[in-house]
Amino acid sequence: GAGVSQSPRYKVAKRGQDVALRCDPISGHVSLFWYQQALGQGPEFLTYFQNEAQLDKSGLPSDRFFAERPEGSVSTLKIQRTQQEDSAVYLCASTPLTRKGTEAFFGQGTRLTVV
Amino acid sequence: AQSVTQLDSQVPVFEEAPVELRCNYSSSVSVYLFWYVQYPNQGLQLLLKYLSGSTLVKGINGFEAEFNKSQTSFHLRKPSVHISDTAEYFCAVFRMDSSYKLIFGSGTRLLVRP
Repeated sequence: GAGVSQSPRYKVAKRGQDVALRCDPISGHVSLFWYQQALGQGPEFLTYFQNEAQLDKSGLPSDRFFAERPEGSVSTLKIQRTQQEDSAVYLCASTPLTRKGTEAFFGQGTRLTVV
Repeated sequence: AQSVTQLDSQVPVFEEAPVELRCNYSSSVSVYLFWYVQYPNQGLQLLLKYLSGSTLVKGINGFEAEFNKSQTSFHLRKPSVHISDTAEYFCAVFRMDSSYKLIFGSGTRLLVRP
């Protein structure tokens, strides 16, 4: 596709429910990132993939958060037993190269509201 | 530890006036510096970046930023703003050591009034 695509755009989950957020990066992009953006804050890093390898998951806030990219393209961020503090916009970004300083292309995000 | 500080949470300005959005960072290693813009209900779009070379960097939509190593700042400027520049602006850094992640500031909302 022309850009990074995320689905769904909006998700309302009841507390305790599991959710799965999808990211379709730009075709051929090697690197993929997930960020969490709370209301009124800047994005915060969650995890990083290079192809199918998850090289950094230091930003995942708890073991309820899990991300995968099994074939090195589409990625899924899964949150188990959602809690109210999980409410945020989840942004996905991809870059064509692994070299630092390469422009990251962001999707529009998934707004998760936990009620 | 490192951090990115955007000193102003909101900057109101009249159309065609100049604007400066401030960004300071702290890091124990060299960094790359970025400014991103986020329009309502949109993802982040790169405005400009500093990797090396000239400390004055020009970006899209008439924006520019100057890297000041001694003051650890990377302020964003535009000589004349338009209504369409109303958006959230984020400063971000990349560490030069092992991490690939961007560290973002908390953002500055630019509100351009007619």
